[in-house]
Amino acid sequence: DQQVKQNSPSLSVQEGRISILNCDYTNSMFDYFLWYKKYPAEGPTFLISISSIKDKNEDGRFTVFLNKSAKHLSLHIVPSQPGDSAVYFCAASERRTGANNLFFGTGTRLTVIP
Amino acid sequence: DAGVIQSPRHEVTEMGQEVTLRCKPISGHNSLFWYRQTMMRGLELLIYFNNNVPIDDSGMPEDRFSAKMPNASFSTLKIQPSEPRDSAVYFCASSLFGGNTEAFFGQGTRLTVV
Repeated sequence: DQQVKQNSPSLSVQEGRISILNCDYTNSMFDYFLWYKKYPAEGPTFLISISSIKDKNEDGRFTVFLNKSAKHLSLHIVPSQPGDSAVYFCAASERRTGANNLFFGTGTRLTVIP
Repeated sequence: DAGVIQSPRHEVTEMGQEVTLRCKPISGHNSLFWYRQTMMRGLELLIYFNNNVPIDDSGMPEDRFSAKMPNASFSTLKIQPSEPRDSAVYFCASSLFGGNTEAFFGQGTRLTVV
């Protein structure tokens, strides 16, 4: 069963507006969360991460929010740009147990309309 | 560094044939992962190695799949015999065990079994 879920397969946003991508997880042992971005014919590339000791991490236009009680995280992109159009994967791991494998969601395809 | 290098980029084979996918991780990385991407399940972890030792192969779908890491700079994923349902994109990724768990991905091998 999927331990990391992205329930929206696609999202379209106007250029300049905010994009919000959502992710839910079921394993309460997860303590490190990441977002990856994937362009066609390329491998996923790391975008931003957050540890479970924080509830927010910001890097330029990208902010990740973590709600541990709801087992939910989200990625905000402000302002959205056409170059942000890609598939975004949410991932999680149990760093405190020493395991470093990542569990991924099924991805959300973001389209930013110029 | 050239990043994670996978070969071939594309493979088309007939059902029943043996397929071998290859991966060269980033130099100095001591964790290596094999993932399979499908529309239905997103990125599934097949197997991962720490210091060339297989740690978790519970994601390997069947005995037809096997993976080896004979040294720190090379890994193979073999499917024998291949079946049409094995058609997918296979990614190799590497990371530094004990450090950040951001994994760096190769460009993937698109496998088509006809």
